[in-house]
Amino acid sequence: DGGITQSPKYLFRKEGQNVTLSCEQNLNHDAMYWYRQDPGQGLRLIYYSQIVNDFQKGDIAEGYSVSREKKESFPLTVTSAQKNPTAFYLCASNIGINNQPQHFGDGTRLSIL
Amino acid sequence: GDSVTQMEGPVTLSEEAFLTINCTYTATGYPSLFWYVQYPGEGLQLLLKATKADDKGSNKGFEATYRKETTSFHLEKGSVQVSDSAVYFCALTTNRDDKIIFGKGTRLHILP
Repeated sequence: DGGITQSPKYLFRKEGQNVTLSCEQNLNHDAMYWYRQDPGQGLRLIYYSQIVNDFQKGDIAEGYSVSREKKESFPLTVTSAQKNPTAFYLCASNIGINNQPQHFGDGTRLSIL
Repeated sequence: GDSVTQMEGPVTLSEEAFLTINCTYTATGYPSLFWYVQYPGEGLQLLLKATKADDKGSNKGFEATYRKETTSFHLEKGSVQVSDSAVYFCALTTNRDDKIIFGKGTRLHILP
């Protein structure tokens, strides 16, 4: 079955620590995305990548970093510079052709202790 | 810039009631329009889509028609079930890039 796998589903970290969220897809999609979702809020774009070894900042990139060394993988690091990191993080992908829908993983809920 | 506006929730209905969730958009060019559904603790799932004016997307009893003249893409279902309780997001994408613009979501509660 093709899809997007995010791990772990729940993540707890102490304040001041960096933490990396995993996102893997086997859909052969070129484009991948990271969103943040806060309670009762819509989705806000953090970073996106349209091709391997290239990525762009979204609307709320401060305090986050990404890499795209492989087509299948797009990990997100939440750094200690992110002031309010507790949120639900969603990874998505699409084939990279305009006007196409995105496919989503099941999300990672990050809580900072 | 491009934007999506959808009705604020929560929307609470009894089982078998008729559902409408309003969605309007602003976009230059010719957007594709989507409805996504998010069940508790999960990611978003594509519910239906429409890529040009007058197209009707449909899935699982839900329907939405792309109305260019009113820039709308309202979601409807004739008879809702408890299992339809979720958050629904209206979204668009254009042929300028492959980013998607989401509405803020509408929470739907269906009472048995």
